Parts: sequence; C-alpha cells; structure tokens
Amino acid sequence: QVQLQESGPGLVKPSQTLSLTCTVSGDSFSSGGYYWSWIRQHPGQGLEWLGYTYYSGSSTHYNPSLKSRLTMSVDTSRNQFSLRLRSVTAADTAVYYCARVMFIAAVVDVWGQGTTVTVSS
Amino acid sequence: EIVMTQSPATLTVSPGERATLSCRGSQSVSSNLAWYQQKPGRAPRLLIYGASSRATGISVRFSGSGSGTEFTLTISSLQSEDFAVYFCQQYNNWPYTFGQGTKLEIK
Repeated sequence: QVQLQESGPGLVKPSQTLSLTCTVSGDSFSSGGYYWSWIRQHPGQGLEWLGYTYYSGSSTHYNPSLKSRLTMSVDTSRNQFSLRLRSVTAADTAVYYCARVMFIAAVVDVWGQGTTVTVSS
Repeated sequence: EIVMTQSPATLTVSPGERATLSCRGSQSVSSNLAWYQQKPGRAPRLLIYGASSRATGISVRFSGSGSGTEFTLTISSLQSEDFAVYFCQQYNNWPYTFGQGTKLEIK
C-alpha cells in the first residue's frame, strides 16, 4: 500500500525559501499512471492546489498564483518529489500535503499526513 | 480560476438522518467534480469522483450527483463517523480548485 511522507522544516523566516520533500513508499514512484502533487491548507480554511508533476518531470503544472515563486522537482532514484517556494511571507503559513493524483481523474487518492509550516521571524 | 461555492457552511443533522450538501461552480466543470471528507488533524479522504463514482472502499451511503455547475453529495443514514468537513473539488480547468467546505455537525 502506497504511503507518502512529507519532510522539511516547520519554521521558515520571511523572505526565505520553503523546501519540502515527499517520500513515496510501498509503490513504484516511476511506474507511471499518476501525477504527484502539493496541496496546502491555510489554518481553518480550504485547500489550495499548488502544482503537480509527472515522475519524469516531463510535465509540471504550477498554480498561476504561485508560478513565479514555485518549483517542483523529482528524484526517481529516491522515490521522492520536492517543492521549493521562494520569498515566503506569513501568508504561506499552512499545512502542506503531498499527494498522489489519479491519471483518469485529477483527484487525490492518496495523501501524506501533512506537515505544518509556519513563516515567522 | 473556477470558484467553487459550497452550502451550507455548517449543517446540523441527527444520526440516522440524511444529509444533503451542495457545491456550485462559477462556470461549468462538466462532471469533473470530486468530494472529500476531512476530520480534524487528518488529511482529506476521497469519497466521490466524476461527480457520482464512489472511490475504492467508500460506503454506499455516500452518493454524488450533478453536472455542469450544480452538484450534490448525499449521505444517507448518518453515522457518528460521518461528522466531519466535506470539500468539493473541480478538475475541469487548471488550477484545480476546492470549495471552502461544509462542516457536518451532530444535532
């Protein structure tokens, strides 16, 4: 059974770069058939889809609202994909989820447990 | 960006009764609509996709309907574990967007 686990710092200073990694276990990250995604949830609020990528990195889509600050990458040798969000502000404080997205319908069938990131000096 | 609006924000229902949750899109999303359930401190869980297809392992008490801009999630015979927050999500246009959620509370 596939599992996703986020890792990265829980506290980031304003103007710095937020970096998170998602490790995929129990399944072949490179087998295809899925996209890999980052979604965040601001405290007490709804969900925001940040972007998604294919395991090869050949197809990556960023939310236009974040496109200038966001980079996603993949490391197939480690079954990992990553997020880098530059120039963070307090508005980037949220729970960040990594997720597996079905090809047949762009919905999340497997979620990581989520990691809380606070932007504060 | 397509805005998804859910109503009501909070729904209070007694166990054993039926709950009906609504989701409206600012433009048509065809049948590219999903529903998720989220409990406090947990990640969301996929319930429905394609507006009406249940995800693997989801109880038949959960059903979805609608197309275009109007969608409904119905939960029949509510059980204690069903009280949670429910989100809809459109995947017709990128960026994919979620509704703000409906909190289902016990009466």
